[in-house]
Amino acid sequence: GQQLNQSPQSMFIQEGEDVSMNCTSSSIFNTWLWYKQDPGEGPVLLIALYKAGELTSNGRLTAQFGITRKDSFLNISASIPSDVGIYFCAGHAGKSTFGDGTTLTVKP
Amino acid sequence: NAGVTQTPKFQVLKTGQSMTLQCAQDMNHEYMSWYRQDPGMGLRLIHYSVGAGITDQGEVPNGYNVSRSTTEDFPLRLLSAAPSQTSVYFCASTTSTNEKLFFGSGTQLSVL
Repeated sequence: GQQLNQSPQSMFIQEGEDVSMNCTSSSIFNTWLWYKQDPGEGPVLLIALYKAGELTSNGRLTAQFGITRKDSFLNISASIPSDVGIYFCAGHAGKSTFGDGTTLTVKP
Repeated sequence: NAGVTQTPKFQVLKTGQSMTLQCAQDMNHEYMSWYRQDPGMGLRLIHYSVGAGITDQGEVPNGYNVSRSTTEDFPLRLLSAAPSQTSVYFCASTTSTNEKLFFGSGTQLSVL
């Protein structure tokens, strides 16, 4: 089946720092999505990308749909304590396939 | 608007017991799905449904049954629980033409 490689697996950063994470696949996807999961809750959609090369922002979050359609990137600028959680990428081609997640810890 | 509601929130089973995890959505979504989340392994698709009366297998279907008799409900059944089924289970839904999933808050299941 389709597999996504999400990295890094975890990040420990200081409040105010910028964060970058990415997702790569051997398969082409029509849509890339990024979700965030808070402890004890289900994932919530952050950003959806629909075209190769697309760059989309949602507040301090910026995501890009890779030119090859096999990768995507998420950047968080000026991190704050409430950014802690697990971030998942998902590629969609009929069904959504999820990466293993990036666990973000922000130290005040 | 409740969205996607999962019950129970927590459950402990003994090996061999059966149970049903409930999922209901009030958004009139055609597509519903079940995922399991294990540490370091992300979300893996168990079963999904594109409408009432239609179900299909996902990536890890063994040991689980589903049915979809109404648009609103999509229960997940464990007929004979095994320790390998200890996990957090999420139900998600969306419209038939939409990739954006709406998730419930999960059921944490432990099988002893």
